[in-house]
Amino acid sequence: DAGVIQSPRHEVTEMGQEVTLRCKPISGHNSLFWYRQTMMRGLELLIYFNNNVPIDDSGMPEDRFSAKMPNASFSTLKIQPSEPRDSAVYFCASSPRTGANEQYFGPGTRLTVT
Amino acid sequence: AQSVTQLDSQVPVFEEAPVELRCNYSSSVSVYLFWYVQYPNQGLQLLLKYLSGSTLVESINGFEAEFNKSQTSFHLRKPSVHISDTAEYFCAVSENSGTYKYIFGTGTRLKVLA
Repeated sequence: DAGVIQSPRHEVTEMGQEVTLRCKPISGHNSLFWYRQTMMRGLELLIYFNNNVPIDDSGMPEDRFSAKMPNASFSTLKIQPSEPRDSAVYFCASSPRTGANEQYFGPGTRLTVT
Repeated sequence: AQSVTQLDSQVPVFEEAPVELRCNYSSSVSVYLFWYVQYPNQGLQLLLKYLSGSTLVESINGFEAEFNKSQTSFHLRKPSVHISDTAEYFCAVSENSGTYKYIFGTGTRLKVLA
């Protein structure tokens, strides 16, 4: 299995631009999680989906952030407009079922907003 | 609300020495507990997990953790560390109540010295 795939691995953009991060979960997994990791705030859960439906988006910092999961094999996290404080590593993780099962993390997207 | 505390942000230790990384949690319901490891520029990987049953759980690379309900702890130990164990270690808790969310600690950076 290829594992969780994220693209791009690195993104550098200017403040005000739209940024789209992509994630392909492991085939057969029905839960998907988006996290943000920074030195200051550590690892934060932004949103998670179960069977393509957003279950909890309470971690999404503000309306500039949005996430979609149009099908079981693809999800996007969009930031519009981006700001320098959005600079972080964004991780996508998938799980074969919610609850006890472990989450499998992708390699992350390092976002730098200048 | 649940929370996870990793008191040590950094732990330096000499090669072949024992190490303990501390993790305490708070929750009003029963929980599942996890340790994840993050190597530089990589995503998180599951190291071990406690779901139920034996309170002592082990990983394939010599780490072990013991669930202590009375002390609400899940400390990670290894009797003899290797240089390759240098990484950041995250403790995580998931409530066994259908919320399906993981709460991660702030991480402990283990640096193994030659």
